[in-house]
Amino acid sequence: GQNIDQPTEMTATEGAIVQINCTYQTSGFNGLFWYQQHAGEAPTFLSYNVLDGLEEKGRFSSFLSRSKGYSYLLLKELQMKDSASYLCAVWNTDKLIFGTGTRLQVFP
Amino acid sequence: GAVVSQHPSRVICKSGTSVKIECRSLDFQATTMFWYRQFPKKSLMLMATSNEGSKATYEQGVEKDKFLINHASLTLSTLTVTSAHPEDSSFYICSARGFEGLGNQPQHFGDGTRLSIL
Repeated sequence: GQNIDQPTEMTATEGAIVQINCTYQTSGFNGLFWYQQHAGEAPTFLSYNVLDGLEEKGRFSSFLSRSKGYSYLLLKELQMKDSASYLCAVWNTDKLIFGTGTRLQVFP
Repeated sequence: GAVVSQHPSRVICKSGTSVKIECRSLDFQATTMFWYRQFPKKSLMLMATSNEGSKATYEQGVEKDKFLINHASLTLSTLTVTSAHPEDSSFYICSARGFEGLGNQPQHFGDGTRLSIL
């Protein structure tokens, strides 16, 4: 089967750094994606990793270790608007399979 | 950038009604379209994959006769929830993939449809 697991909820303080982990076991792997989703809206693309290592994009960075089936999304200098759900997704051959999702709440 | 339009954004209807949701790629040709369902505070669950001109491939546990998918052209796919019941109430999201390679974004998402069955 396909398993893509994330912590259900996380909280953090404005200005802090938070790391959201994702572990996966899938039958195929062609890349890992992170999306941000606010309630009632479509997911918004954040990052893409296909090779091991860290990809940095402004306040957001994403890391991948294919041998460990592991990724994380790092959010720096947290802002209140970063309160949202963060979805890890694996491109498995010909479709995108989403993880369980992490709801992040940022407090002042 | 690539734009996917999903319509309607919200539907409220009586139990037993059939509801059609449209997903259009506005500025690219979508070789493949995907339909997802999302329950409150849950992640996206892939329901089916449709390729233009062929039958949709449904994920395990998704009823084909309940959720009819048509992908008649390279810019339009429809999802029809037949004889909808309250348990079908959910947030439905479509996404579309074009001819381009995987690149940064394998799929472009519509804005979703909030379906409420009374």
